Amino acid sequence: AQSVAQPEDQVNVAEGNPLTVKCTYSVSGNPYLFWYVQYPNRGLQFLLKYITGDNLVKGSYGFEAEFNKSQTSFHLKKPSALVSDSALYFCAVRDDSGAGSYQLTFGKGTKLSVIP
Amino acid sequence: DSGVTQTPKHLITATGQRVTLRCSPRSGDLSVYWYQQSLDQGLQFLIQYYNGEERAKGNILERFSAQQFPDLHSELNLSSLELGDSALYFCASSVVATGVGETQYFGPGTRLLVL
Repeated sequence: AQSVAQPEDQVNVAEGNPLTVKCTYSVSGNPYLFWYVQYPNRGLQFLLKYITGDNLVKGSYGFEAEFNKSQTSFHLKKPSALVSDSALYFCAVRDDSGAGSYQLTFGKGTKLSVIP
Repeated sequence: DSGVTQTPKHLITATGQRVTLRCSPRSGDLSVYWYQQSLDQGLQFLIQYYNGEERAKGNILERFSAQQFPDLHSELNLSSLELGDSALYFCASSVVATGVGETQYFGPGTRLLVL
């Protein structure tokens, strides 16, 4: 069965500093990895995904993520954090093991707080 | 705005009651997914429909059911409600069902409170 771990419940970073939100995964087939962001009282917004190709994926709002197959990780990064980046971030995985279902398995989420 | 709409935004009801949550997917999307978000369980997949047919089931209780209509909107029916069913219910949609790398776009959710 596929699974996702987000080891940090909360990440605090000062405005202007680089941020990293960590994610590791476990799948039986090829991983298809996603990052979503949830602002208070809002739905999940898609940020970026890794399907194949370059290990560095660029997404919305200046975010990027690095896929590392040997470490089974897909960490979310941003060079310079904004206060408006403060939100709940979810990593998700879908695998192609051929089980026939394509739902996403989510991590428990990481609350990012950017301090002015 | 993802293009996925959900109604109602909020729902307050009593234990033992039945409610229906509605979802309209993005224009052109054939696949609809339902997820439940709760504090203790996190985000969990419930069920998926593709072009009117059930495609996959996750951790969905027998008291819950769903369907997708010919116009592709979907409804999630929750019956014999319990306090523990209080959660945020999300609908997501994607173009097809078999694109493993395809993006799912989420609606704003329906917040259900069972008293």
